[in-house]
Amino acid sequence: GENVEQHPSTLSVQEGDSAVIKCTYSDSASNYFPWYKQELGKGPQLIIDIRSNVGEKKDQRIAVTLNKTAKHFSLHITETQPEDSAVYFCAATSKGGSYIPTFGRGTSLIVHP
Amino acid sequence: NAGVTQTPKFQVLKTGQSMTLQCAQDMNHNSMYWYRQDPGMGLRLIYYSASEGTTDKGEVPNGYNVSRLNKREFSLRLESAAPSQTSVYFCASSPTSGLRSGGNEQFFGPGTRLTVL
Repeated sequence: GENVEQHPSTLSVQEGDSAVIKCTYSDSASNYFPWYKQELGKGPQLIIDIRSNVGEKKDQRIAVTLNKTAKHFSLHITETQPEDSAVYFCAATSKGGSYIPTFGRGTSLIVHP
Repeated sequence: NAGVTQTPKFQVLKTGQSMTLQCAQDMNHNSMYWYRQDPGMGLRLIYYSASEGTTDKGEVPNGYNVSRLNKREFSLRLESAAPSQTSVYFCASSPTSGLRSGGNEQFFGPGTRLTVL
């Protein structure tokens, strides 16, 4: 089945800096890659996603890039703010997994004011 | 719309006790899921229901049972709780299981924090 590795497990940045979280996946047939943000005490919420026919997608301060050849995708957050502090999860879905997402283990992002 | 709701929010059980975690969604979604979240382990799928009337095992189904009561409701039952089942449990739903569209956003509930002593 699909295996998703996520790095780093924790990331500490100063307000205004950029943050990058990286994920790799194992199934070359995976074609949908969502990113979820989980605030303390809440359930995860989708913040951006990308499908395999696109190399990059941007939404204001958040962007995701996908390299299908290398089987890795990344989340980029620019001009970080304290409210960006949360746990971020990447995921990958493939037909072989009935399109049920396989999640990475999460990255705890801390933005210091 | 309330989205995905879960009850209870917190629960403490003794080893061997049973309980049912309730989940409901009001978005008319076909697919529903149960995950557990443990520190450093991410989200692991326990069971899912691709559509009303069907259920399938996920990555960690042992010790759990599920019921898709109707399109809105999907419950998770622990028949004989064990300390290893101490976790945060999340229910989620999505418009389809993704078989036709190749993956869809999942909508998560607020979670149930379960402690088994």
